[in-house]
Amino acid sequence: GDSVTQMEGPVTLSEEAFLTINCTYTATGYPSLFWYVQYPGEGLQLLLKATKADDKGSNKGFEATYRKETTSFHLEKGSVQVSDSAVYFCALSDGSGYSTLTFGKGTMLLVSP
Amino acid sequence: NAGVMQNPRHLVRRRGQEARLRCSPMKGHSHVYWYRQLPEEGLKFMVYLQKENIIDESGMPKERFSAEFPKEGPSILRIQQVVRGDSAAYFCASSPAGSGSGANVLTFGAGSRLTVL
Repeated sequence: GDSVTQMEGPVTLSEEAFLTINCTYTATGYPSLFWYVQYPGEGLQLLLKATKADDKGSNKGFEATYRKETTSFHLEKGSVQVSDSAVYFCALSDGSGYSTLTFGKGTMLLVSP
Repeated sequence: NAGVMQNPRHLVRRRGQEARLRCSPMKGHSHVYWYRQLPEEGLKFMVYLQKENIIDESGMPKERFSAEFPKEGPSILRIQQVVRGDSAAYFCASSPAGSGSGANVLTFGAGSRLTVL
């Protein structure tokens, strides 16, 4: 079945550092890929998405490129802020119909001033 | 403009008791999804409901778990005779009617954390 693997956390960075959170997936067909973010005490929010190979999703300075050849969707940001501290979830949807997402385990990001 | 509201945020039950988790979808949304996150694992799909209908419950354990989304009121996830393995975070999401494969329009709640002693 479909699966998503993302790097273990926590990831601890200083403000303005470069961020990479790795995500790889296994799926049949052509899934859509997503990054969700969960800030403390809040629900998951869609951060960005990509629906086909080589698409780049971007939002709030975060980017991720759908790499079919490496089955990856790594999340990057050039300069993190303290306010980026949150748990980040990589997910896929197999596009078969309604929104049953397959999630990774989540990666906690801690940014210190 | 309230989002998806889940309550209680934290629930503690002893083995054998019942747990009821509630989810009020976002205003204007008529589709509800429940996901469970066990410790050290990702969120796993449990059930998808529309008003008064269960559309897909393929991710729901066959015993002790049930879900409903009545015409009036919140969606309820009910766990009977809880066991320690039910301890998890339960997330609800909602989407507008007719969203089809639009996974991008899911709005999640903050989750309900169940602890079974």
